[in-house]
Amino acid sequence: KQEVTQIPAALSVPEGENLVLNCSFTDSAIYNLQWFRQDPGKGLTSLLLIQSSQREQTSGRLNASLDKSSGRSTLYIAASQPGDSATYLCAVHISNFGNEKLTFGTGTRLTIIP
Amino acid sequence: NAGVTQTPKFRILKIGQSMTLQCTQDMNHNYMYWYRQDPGMGLKLIYYSVGAGITDKGEVPNGYNVSRSTTEDFPLRLELAAPSQTSVYFCASSLYTGELFFGEGSRLTVL
Repeated sequence: KQEVTQIPAALSVPEGENLVLNCSFTDSAIYNLQWFRQDPGKGLTSLLLIQSSQREQTSGRLNASLDKSSGRSTLYIAASQPGDSATYLCAVHISNFGNEKLTFGTGTRLTIIP
Repeated sequence: NAGVTQTPKFRILKIGQSMTLQCTQDMNHNYMYWYRQDPGMGLKLIYYSVGAGITDKGEVPNGYNVSRSTTEDFPLRLELAAPSQTSVYFCASSLYTGELFFGEGSRLTVL
């Protein structure tokens, strides 16, 4: 059974710092991995999608990396801003002939201190 | 562009009542999913569908039913509501195994 772990559960950093969020998964036979942000009381917003054949994806100040062999992904946020405060979740997708399994981590709650 | 729309946003049910959570998407996505999110527990997959007429159980299907008669709609039916079904429910859709788009959620309380 695929298990996805995000450590730490909560993180506070001063504004302007660069930071890294971690995601670990137990089964390396993934189809893709996705990072989301969730604001309080809201749905999840997709940030980056990395296919299993890719090593990283970038969008603006965000960079996500994927190392399937070690079962790890990181989300790098450059020059953090108060608006980056949210919960960040990763999800790994296993696809097997229409049998779809998307497993989520429990998230890291990020607070950027002005 | 509406994306994924869920209704209702909030609902309170009494134990034993039934209701349907509605989900519709306008992106012509073939894959649709229902998740529940409980505090500190992450998202758990209830049911999913890879196309109209096709549904399958996820991790926590007991107490729920779904149907997929059209590409756009994927309603989730709760039969005989129990306090354990108090949660926030999210509908999501994707084009095959691509980027996942979520609705804003439906907060359900069973008393």
